[in-house]
Amino acid sequence: DIQMTQSPASLSASLGETVTIECRASEDIYNGLAWYQQKPGKSPQLLIYNANSLHTGVPSRFSGSGSGTQYSLKINSLQSEDVASYFCQQYYDYPFTFGSGTKLEIK
Amino acid sequence: QVQLKESGPGLVQPSQTLSLTCTVSGLSLTSNSVSWIRQPPGKGLEWMGVIWSNGGTDYNSAIKSRLSISRDTSKSQVFLKMNSLQTEDTAMYFCARKGIRRGGSFDYWGQGVMVTVSS
Repeated sequence: DIQMTQSPASLSASLGETVTIECRASEDIYNGLAWYQQKPGKSPQLLIYNANSLHTGVPSRFSGSGSGTQYSLKINSLQSEDVASYFCQQYYDYPFTFGSGTKLEIK
Repeated sequence: QVQLKESGPGLVQPSQTLSLTCTVSGLSLTSNSVSWIRQPPGKGLEWMGVIWSNGGTDYNSAIKSRLSISRDTSKSQVFLKMNSLQTEDTAMYFCARKGIRRGGSFDYWGQGVMVTVSS
């Protein structure tokens, strides 16, 4: 199985700041990567697919980048509504696997 | 609009079989694939398996021997059955649609159903 190592596990930042979350795959996943946002008590919501494509309706302050085994999610101009957990998911190979998550809080 | 909704028992005894239903609306199961994904309390997400639009299935090898996914297209329902449940199967169970032109990502999710395995 492809292992997804996500960092950091938690993150605290101020409103308006830019934050970056990283995911490293145990092998090349050829941009087969998605990012999700999950608010407490809710189901995950798709933000980014194919490593860098913004899903419909997602604010442009979210962006994804990377290639090979290294990928990142950047959130510009942090807003209060961005408080959530964020997960990466690889879909290059079965079984699909997820990162362990990053909990984002506001300072 | 596309909606998915999970239903099933909230409590299952150890060693018993879990049966869950995902009822979909706004999409056809003959042209969409649906996965089951679970999340233990306070932990990460685990993809369990998928039923493809053609009715074929793929499962996570870690639980393949215990898992079965099927569907009734006339009722717009997808079913999960997992046997020999243990306490570590306690989790929120989600069904989710594989996105159209979104690679293998999931663009619509149900609200989830919490399943507790306990005697």
